[in-house]
Amino acid sequence: DTAVSQTPKYLVTQMGNDKSIKCEQNLGHDTMYWYKQDSKKFLKIMFSYNNKELIINETVPNRFSPKSPDKAHLNLHINSLELGDSAVYFCASSLRTLTDTQYFGPGTRLTVL
Amino acid sequence: DAKTTQPNSMESNEEEPVHLPCNHSTISGTDYIHWYRQLPSQGPEYVIHGLTSNVNNRMASLAIAEDRKSSTLILHRATLRDAAVYYCIPPGPISLTWGAGNNRKLIWGLGTSLGVNP
Repeated sequence: DTAVSQTPKYLVTQMGNDKSIKCEQNLGHDTMYWYKQDSKKFLKIMFSYNNKELIINETVPNRFSPKSPDKAHLNLHINSLELGDSAVYFCASSLRTLTDTQYFGPGTRLTVL
Repeated sequence: DAKTTQPNSMESNEEEPVHLPCNHSTISGTDYIHWYRQLPSQGPEYVIHGLTSNVNNRMASLAIAEDRKSSTLILHRATLRDAAVYYCIPPGPISLTWGAGNNRKLIWGLGTSLGVNP
């Protein structure tokens, strides 16, 4: 019974393409997140949604657009992919706030060629 | 700014205890101290958290200094499966800062890479 799931696990695509990553949590949590882990292994928060409302929006290019159709889902759409977007993207959720325990998905490794 | 520090790496032998330190000298009075770990090619997973008192669970123990400026994650008997990067949150060495409008910025530090020798 996977708590936080993401698809796809791997994504290889060409520069300039548009792609989406999906995330679902079955924990009944109110808040979901997208993180980016780059090649240097820093884990940076990109977005956070609480009950379908955007509450954290870090300095991320507007080519990245999160969408939350309901509080159990948070998808990430990326337009015009660039080489620098290559990274591992993690979805996470927590009960209410950023300081609550976070539960992470398995990650999506995005490679832009 | 809240700042934390963790050693970059530590080594342990299998079945020996491991003490992973974290200094968080400017932690806020209401911030919980969370520890997560990230096994190779996996997402971070929750290990333990606490506020003031020491905590135990099936994975580890957390010892929190009386002044809350430091904490130690204790793995009582390290196994090969415990080899991972351990993160202490509030994160370090990069600051956890408050942005405008109560919007916290969160960048996890590099954590401590724990190697376990058979």
